[in-house]
Amino acid sequence: RKEVEQDPGPFNVPEGATVAFNCTYSNSASQSFFWYRQDCRKEPKLLMSVYSSGNEDGRFTAQLNRASQYISLLIRDSKLSDSATYLCVVKKAGANNLFFGTGTRLTVIP
Amino acid sequence: ETGVTQTPRHLVMGMTNKKSLKCEQHLGHNAMYWYKQSAKKPLELMFVYSLEERVENNSVPSRFSPECPNSSHLFLHLHTLQPEDSALYLCASSQDTGRGWSATNEKLFFGSGTQLSVL
Repeated sequence: RKEVEQDPGPFNVPEGATVAFNCTYSNSASQSFFWYRQDCRKEPKLLMSVYSSGNEDGRFTAQLNRASQYISLLIRDSKLSDSATYLCVVKKAGANNLFFGTGTRLTVIP
Repeated sequence: ETGVTQTPRHLVMGMTNKKSLKCEQHLGHNAMYWYKQSAKKPLELMFVYSLEERVENNSVPSRFSPECPNSSHLFLHLHTLQPEDSALYLCASSQDTGRGWSATNEKLFFGSGTQLSVL
């Protein structure tokens, strides 16, 4: 079983729409969770960390459900500039390794 | 952003060539990484150096040879590669020795990558 699984999409949504991505992880010992964003032909960049209590950064909200071992990312009021691939990332404590999902491709349409 | 710089951006090489990828980080981090990104696959960790010591080698073929002369520089030496090695190779750094847990220290900063084509 893969360490991290994501729906590859693509998700095609109109501007202003709300879109949500889910991600599941297999290792219950995972301690840290992140969403990275990767634009076409560019490197991944950290979008936000995901905390147990959930966290929000502007139009972006991340949630963690440890019991079900899944992480979500909600994007409200989608902008054209949100078009990218969103990578779900998990890490075990004390390990120098992050496990990446294959990413979910989002295209926001005018 | 110039926190992590990688060269070259693009590389085409034959299967008998020897080439090297270079990575430099200007962030004062203590860990550096090589990742491989192939189409429709998740990023695969190849090597990790923490405090200039190699701490992970994820069953990478010996035709890939890393070198970390100091905490700011990382190389990936390539020799007799195969066409299936064609991919985007990403360098990253973090302030993380792996010995403890701190969400702040676990963030990876990536270089822009080297798009490698093996003919």
